[in-house]
Amino acid sequence: EAGVAQSPRYKIIEKRQSVAFWCNPISGHATLYWYQQILGQGPKLLIQFQNNGVVDDSQLPKDRFSAERLKGVDSTLKIQPAKLEDSAVYLCARVLNSGSFIPGELFFGEGSRLTVL
Amino acid sequence: GDSVTQMEGPVTLSEEAFLTINCTYTATGYPSLFWYVQYPGEGLQLLLKATKADDKGSNKGFEATYRKETTSFHLEKGSVQVSDSAVYFCALNTNAGKSTFGDGTTLTVKP
Repeated sequence: EAGVAQSPRYKIIEKRQSVAFWCNPISGHATLYWYQQILGQGPKLLIQFQNNGVVDDSQLPKDRFSAERLKGVDSTLKIQPAKLEDSAVYLCARVLNSGSFIPGELFFGEGSRLTVL
Repeated sequence: GDSVTQMEGPVTLSEEAFLTINCTYTATGYPSLFWYVQYPGEGLQLLLKATKADDKGSNKGFEATYRKETTSFHLEKGSVQVSDSAVYFCALNTNAGKSTFGDGTTLTVKP
């Protein structure tokens, strides 16, 4: 199975600016996740998609974060306006094996590292 | 809510030493348990898993046993190598879709 493509790998912006991250699970997996990983912490779920519908966005700060997955393939995560505390790595993930899905068995992309100055 | 607690790092060992990284959890229901590893400059990848009590997950010489009575999933390896230097994350999933991760333990193995 192919991987998860993310871009950009690195982004530096000033606070109050906006930024967008892109993810493609490549093999067309139905379930897609966005996680936020702050330095020194484990990943925390921001949003889960099933095809192009949202399954769980309870931990997404909706006043500044938004995400979409048009056509159920690639996805975009946007932050507007950014705050200093948004500095983190944003990870996109899909299920590891679509043929034998075990909840929590995930394949991660390499992530997009955001620095907010 | 669900939570995962890992032993604090960093952990520094000499090559061929025995490794234990402790992980305990709190969860409603019966979670699946995982260890993920992040090598320097790379993304998170699944190391091993266990889906029910008393299951032992194993991969690349690493093992962890799902202990329901102690709510633990400790990671062990009998003889570590320099190439095992990485950050290790314990995680759980309660079939609700959302995975909960620990804060990671950094392992450095010296030759």
